[in-house]
Amino acid sequence: RKEVEQDPGPFNVPEGATVAFNCTYSNSASQSFFWYRQDCRKEPKLLMSVYSSGNEDGRFTAQLNRASQYISLLIRDSKLSDSATYLCVVNPGGEKVTFGTGTKLQVIP
Amino acid sequence: DAGITQSPRHKVTETGTPVTLRCHQTENHRYMYWYRQDPGHGLRLIHYSYGVKDTDKGEVSDGYSVSRSKTEDFLLTLESATSSQTSVYFCAISEWEVADTGELFFGEGSRLTVL
Repeated sequence: RKEVEQDPGPFNVPEGATVAFNCTYSNSASQSFFWYRQDCRKEPKLLMSVYSSGNEDGRFTAQLNRASQYISLLIRDSKLSDSATYLCVVNPGGEKVTFGTGTKLQVIP
Repeated sequence: DAGITQSPRHKVTETGTPVTLRCHQTENHRYMYWYRQDPGHGLRLIHYSYGVKDTDKGEVSDGYSVSRSKTEDFLLTLESATSSQTSVYFCAISEWEVADTGELFFGEGSRLTVL
């Protein structure tokens, strides 16, 4: 089983829709969690951290479910500019982090 | 945007030739990383550095070496390039341990093709 797994998608959603992605992780001792966004042929950029209590940043909500070992990213009122690949990032312990392969989102007019 | 420059941005080379990719930062961040990104594998860590002359291996370090003689420069060398090293290479920097903040600033990437 991979350390971090994501549905590659693509998720094709209309503008204004709500969409959610999950990311599962295999190491129950994982310490910290993050979501990155990567536009086509560009570098990844940190979108948000995922806290145990969940956190929200505008239209984006990130949640952690330790019991089931997954994190989620919810995007409300999708915009065309949200089209990108969303990377799940997990720290399994220690100094490094592990990236998921990403979930591609395409928002359709 | 963080000041990170990768060079070259694109390179085509032949099997068996040496290749050096350069990462230059103007942020004075302590930590620097080299990742490769391939379809189906996501970003994988090759090597990283936690200070001048202090480097360590990542999960896919075979066939690669690095050097960091100055805070601002982190070089990735493929001693003898192979077709399996065709990839997009990203340099990243962080001020703090990435496990704590999750915050990596990436360069624009270097696209390497080994024929």
